Amino acid sequence: DAKTTQPPSMDCAEGRAANLPCNHSTISGNEYVYWYRQIHSQGPQYIIHGLKNNETNEMASLIITEDRKSSTLILPHATLRDTAVYYCIVPPGGGSQGNLIFGKGTKLSVKP
Amino acid sequence: EAGVAQSPRYKIIEKRQSVAFWCNPISGHATLYWYQQILGQGPKLLIQFQNNGVVDDSQLPKDRFSAERLKGVDSTLKIQPAKLEDSAVYLCASSLVKNQAIYFGEGSWLTVV
Repeated sequence: DAKTTQPPSMDCAEGRAANLPCNHSTISGNEYVYWYRQIHSQGPQYIIHGLKNNETNEMASLIITEDRKSSTLILPHATLRDTAVYYCIVPPGGGSQGNLIFGKGTKLSVKP
Repeated sequence: EAGVAQSPRYKIIEKRQSVAFWCNPISGHATLYWYQQILGQGPKLLIQFQNNGVVDDSQLPKDRFSAERLKGVDSTLKIQPAKLEDSAVYLCASSLVKNQAIYFGEGSWLTVV
């Protein structure tokens, strides 16, 4: 199983970009990188996922290094509502999202 | 589009009692999941259904936990008898197919006293 490593916490000023790193050095060629977040007292929320290419949607951008051993989730203009725990997950088995293994994630605090 | 619905939202029971949680996934989602999240930890998969068949229940404590998904839509998760360590949030989630984004409900908060 590809394990991920994330910093336990990060701060970001409101309105600035939040860049959340994730290391997944043992990732296999067909395994995707998924990002979820969990705001206090709510269920996890899907943000974005990718395989090799960089991805962007209305919530965030995902930058994956060429060797695929790390990735960065970018929230371009963080707001106070983005304060949450962010999970970087590489589901095992390639192409299958069956078993999301949540680690401790990164607690992002967006400050005014 | 309606999200994943769960009930009850909160439940307090005594140990050795039983409890059941209900989940209605997003319409058309074939895959349904139940996760357990203990305070301070990330969610842990308990069971995964594909339509009404079980795909993965390797982490379900089968001596006390059971789940079913009749007709491939709604699902129920039952705990009987409950233990103190079952106090957690029980999250239901669904996805259109495997390898798609998973959408979670708000969770059912269980306290066993």
